[in-house]
Amino acid sequence: DIQMTQSPSSLSASVGDRVTITCRPSQSISTYLDWYQQKPGKAPKLLIYAASSLQSGVPSRFSGSGSGTDFTLTISSLQPEDFATYYCQQSYDTPPTFGQGTRVEI
Amino acid sequence: QITLKESGPTLVKPTQTLTLTCTFSGFSLTTYKVGVGWIRQPPGEALQWLSVIYWDDDRRYSPSLKSRLTIAKDTSKNQVIQTMTNLDPADTATYYCVHWDGNLHAFDYWGQGALVTVSS
Repeated sequence: DIQMTQSPSSLSASVGDRVTITCRPSQSISTYLDWYQQKPGKAPKLLIYAASSLQSGVPSRFSGSGSGTDFTLTISSLQPEDFATYYCQQSYDTPPTFGQGTRVEI
Repeated sequence: QITLKESGPTLVKPTQTLTLTCTFSGFSLTTYKVGVGWIRQPPGEALQWLSVIYWDDDRRYSPSLKSRLTIAKDTSKNQVIQTMTNLDPADTATYYCVHWDGNLHAFDYWGQGALVTVSS
C-alpha cells in the first residue's frame, strides 16, 4: 500500500491567515491526489481532485498543487467555516489510501 | 442531484456478520467509469477505504480485509450491499457509502455515514 504522510498533524491559525498543508506519498503518484475537508460529525467533502482541480462549488480560496511525491493544499485566507480536518488521498493505486489528517484549529 | 444513504444495524456482536446497504439516487451504476464504494472511520481516527464495485461489475477490496468482505450491486434497486464477516470490536466505525467518479478519479459524493458498534 502507498503510505500518505501529512504535515502538520494539527495547526492553529486565525481568520485571514494563509494556511498550507503538505502531503507526501511513499512513492510517486503522478497527480492522482485528492483533498477532502471533514467537519465534526459530518462526512468528508471533496475539495480538490487531480492535485490541483477545484471541485465544483468549492471556494476559490482553496487551491492544490504538486505532483509525484510532494503535494500542497493551500487556503489563501482562512474563514471561520474552514476550521476542520483535512485529508489527502491517493487514487493512483488500489487500495486508495488516506493521510492521517490535519486538524485546523482556531 | 446525487445522494447516497447507508442503512444497517447499529450494534453487532463479535464474530457476527455485518450487512450494510447503500441506497443511491441521481446516477446509474451502469454508467461508464462510475463506481460505488465503502470507506470507514473508527472514532477519532483517519479514513480507511474498504471496497468498490464499478459499472462493469469489477470489484476491488482492501487487501487487509479482502477475506472478510463482499460487495455486490442491485442496479434495479439502485443499491450496493457490503457484507463483512467475523466482526471484531476493532471494526467499530462510521461506515460511509461513496460515489466514485472515474473522470475526476475521486470520491465526489458521500453518504451521511452509519455508526456501527461491535460489542457483546
